[in-house]
Amino acid sequence: AQSVAQPEDQVNVAEGNPLTVKCTYSVSGNPYLFWYVQYPNRGLQFLLKYITGDNLVKGSYGFEAEFNKSQTSFHLKKPSALVSDSALYFCAVRDSGAAGNKLTFGGGTRVLVKP
Amino acid sequence: NAGVTQTPKFQVLKTGQSMTLQCAQDMNHNSMYWYRQDPGMGLRLIYYSASEGTTDKGEVPNGYNVSRLNKREFSLRLESAAPSQTSVYFCASSLTHATSGSRSGELFFGEGSRLTVL
Repeated sequence: AQSVAQPEDQVNVAEGNPLTVKCTYSVSGNPYLFWYVQYPNRGLQFLLKYITGDNLVKGSYGFEAEFNKSQTSFHLKKPSALVSDSALYFCAVRDSGAAGNKLTFGGGTRVLVKP
Repeated sequence: NAGVTQTPKFQVLKTGQSMTLQCAQDMNHNSMYWYRQDPGMGLRLIYYSASEGTTDKGEVPNGYNVSRLNKREFSLRLESAAPSQTSVYFCASSLTHATSGSRSGELFFGEGSRLTVL
């Protein structure tokens, strides 16, 4: 079985400050990890993913995430947050050895960036 | 380029009524998915279609049926709606249902269909 936990329902940050959204995962094999963002009344948009290789992954809109196997974490980060980053963020995982492309999503973290 | 298009965007049903959510993608993707989104629970997979002509159950299939009409279209049907099916439904597609590789996991989502069952 595979699962994802996003421990924070909401993260508040001032514009210009660093932003971190936490994610931990559980899979029986090696993980494929993803971050998606959802703006109001829109579908989810892909931000970045970790499949293999470098533990620091860079994605869209200046976001990056660090894969930490020992801590089973994949936290999303942005050095300087913008008001336009306010949205709902989802972490997702799938077991690399599992059949199919079925992702398991976390419950989501709402990010509010204040001017 | 429209991407993934869902209809309708909003629907209110009474308990016991039936309806079909339609989804179409124009990206020539092989795989399509239906998810439901509920507050605090993230997205849960209802059904998916790895390729044209195949469908399989996801995490929460009870009360739903699907049809992969052709490569572009994947519909979700509620035969007898229940209040527990009040949710936002998302259709998604991906290039492939391959188990590994650089394309794995990149889903493209529609804008969602908000369904209320009274």
